Amino acid sequence: SQELEQSPQSLIVQEGKNLTINCTSSKTLYGLYWYKQKYGEGLIFLMMLQKGGEEKSHEKITAKLDEKKQQSSLHITASQPSHAGIYLCGADISGGGADGLTFGKGTHLIIQP
Amino acid sequence: NAGVTQTPKFQVLKTGQSMTLQCAQDMNHNSMYWYRQDPGMGLRLIYYSASEGTTDKGEVPNGYNVSRLNKREFSLRLESAAPSQTSVYFCASSWGRETGNTIYFGEGSWLTVV
Repeated sequence: SQELEQSPQSLIVQEGKNLTINCTSSKTLYGLYWYKQKYGEGLIFLMMLQKGGEEKSHEKITAKLDEKKQQSSLHITASQPSHAGIYLCGADISGGGADGLTFGKGTHLIIQP
Repeated sequence: NAGVTQTPKFQVLKTGQSMTLQCAQDMNHNSMYWYRQDPGMGLRLIYYSASEGTTDKGEVPNGYNVSRLNKREFSLRLESAAPSQTSVYFCASSWGRETGNTIYFGEGSWLTVV
């Protein structure tokens, strides 16, 4: 079973539109990480959330962790071609520290001009 | 800005051959990790090293061995490669095991076993 579910699996958005990607778990998310991966490249760290209700922003990307610490969302405002790629959420779901993260399967984001 | 460096970037192996993937980080991190990424499976942890001198199995360790050579370097060895080990391999590092430490990834190594 997949312990960390990402939705949607893929997303095609017109340039300039807003979008949201979700990451959900049945377990408590002790630390939730968002990464971006360009096709054929490594993972670029975006943000990390730990506290219930926490929200962080960087440029046009905002990430939130819900109060129950079981769901996180990544919101992109006024999308640009540079936002295209695969977005991955990773989490510490054991509570034992980052002995490696559990990852979702990723959301493929395509930005249409 | 080197960060986490992996070699080689691409490799083709024949079934049964052995090889070692090298990883080095220049951030003075204590913890290092090896993941594999497969279509439809996402990223899965193979082995990790919480600190110099220690290594532990992750979710999918079978067919692999690791060596934490020193604080900077963490290698992954395939003793007898199998087609099922065709994958993209990522090395990563973080300051420590505690939740809250950012984990930084290398650019990946594409391995094909024929």
